Amino acid sequence: AQSVTQLGSHVSVSEGALVLLRCNYSSSVPPYLFWYVQYPNQGLQLLLKYTSAATLVKGINGFEAEFKKSETSFHLTKPSAHMSDAAEYFCAVRASGTYKYIFGTGTRLKVLA
Amino acid sequence: DSGVTQTPKHLITATGQRVTLRCSPRSGDLSVYWYQQSLDQGLQFLIQYYNGEERAKGNILERFSAQQFPDLHSELNLSSLELGDSALYFCASTRGREAYEQYFGPGTRLTVT
Repeated sequence: AQSVTQLGSHVSVSEGALVLLRCNYSSSVPPYLFWYVQYPNQGLQLLLKYTSAATLVKGINGFEAEFKKSETSFHLTKPSAHMSDAAEYFCAVRASGTYKYIFGTGTRLKVLA
Repeated sequence: DSGVTQTPKHLITATGQRVTLRCSPRSGDLSVYWYQQSLDQGLQFLIQYYNGEERAKGNILERFSAQQFPDLHSELNLSSLELGDSALYFCASTRGREAYEQYFGPGTRLTVT
């Protein structure tokens, strides 16, 4: 069975500070992992994905995530937060060989001026 | 713009009624996923179709059904509506069997009164 846990439903950072959003997964088979961003009143947009190639994945808008199998983690980072990064972020897992995506409960990022 | 369209954008209806939500995937995408997003349940996978056939089922109630038509658009039918069905309903599409990226539509906001 697959599952995703996002630690912290709300995270606040100052503009220019490091953004770290945490995601831990559980999967009995090699997973595919994703981060999505959702702006108010919009659908989800893919930020980046891990599909068993490089463990450090770079995405759009300066975000990146590192797949750590030993820690079953796929945390999302960005070196310097921008006001426009304020949104809700979702981590998702899909087990290889399946077609179901399991989403975490989301982390709402607030960026303080 | 993800290329996925959903209609209607908003829907207000009464308990006990039936509604149909429509989704058109990106051009060339064969797979459609339906999700329900509510404040208390988060983003829940409902059902997936691939090229007209049901591929995977998630937490979809028996009162809900879906289908994918030969032109690849999909409809989600919700019947005997209850107050708790009020939510955002998203569809997402992917290119093929092994495609990873999901492209989300803007959603349909359903309010049951």
